[in-house]
Amino acid sequence: DQQVKQNSPSLSVQEGRISILNCDYTNSMFDYFLWYKKYPAEGPTFLISISSIKDKNEDGRFTVFLNKSAKHLSLHIVPSQPGDSAVYFCAASAIGQTGANNLFFGTGTRLTVIP
Amino acid sequence: GAGVSQTPSNKVTEKGKYVELRCDPISGHTALYWYRQSLGQGPEFLIYFQGTGAADDSGLPNDRFFAVRPEGSVSTLKIQRTERGDSAVYLCASSQQGNGWNSPLHFGNGTRLTVT
Repeated sequence: DQQVKQNSPSLSVQEGRISILNCDYTNSMFDYFLWYKKYPAEGPTFLISISSIKDKNEDGRFTVFLNKSAKHLSLHIVPSQPGDSAVYFCAASAIGQTGANNLFFGTGTRLTVIP
Repeated sequence: GAGVSQTPSNKVTEKGKYVELRCDPISGHTALYWYRQSLGQGPEFLIYFQGTGAADDSGLPNDRFFAVRPEGSVSTLKIQRTERGDSAVYLCASSQQGNGWNSPLHFGNGTRLTVT
């Protein structure tokens, strides 16, 4: 039972354009959301997070948007750069609601930025 | 500073054998996690340590899997009587105080386990 879903396995974007990666979740107890980036043969690297009390968090070229009513979040990368090419994982936890400390991950979206 | 270190990076073993996977977290991080990533999937939670104790082991698939962290630093994930379905990348992560707004998980590069 996948509680965090990334329905697009891959995405290709031209360098300089915007990349939009989407994520949906089913568990209404989730209150903390993160995006991780993963290069081949490396572990996931933390990118950006958002608490459920916010609807937007921005860090440089990366912005995460949260729509709680739709149980949907997205990661925007602008402008996209070739070095952004990686697999992006959406993750969520319900730590504030349940105290549970584990993260639930989506299946990932492979982003390719074309020079 | 050094990140999360996992050894070995690759392990090939025969079905039925016992394996140990080691994780050395970032110095000072009290929380340590083990995740498993199968092909085409995202990481799946196995177990979480706060200090020396396993605070949540609800993700361990069965009693063949066991993990320890005796001194609150290095952790070992132990798998008995390995099965081909155990083949995956085993990821270790640590954080300063546990998953939270200012305490994201930092992952190691993983150990790729192949059971033949």
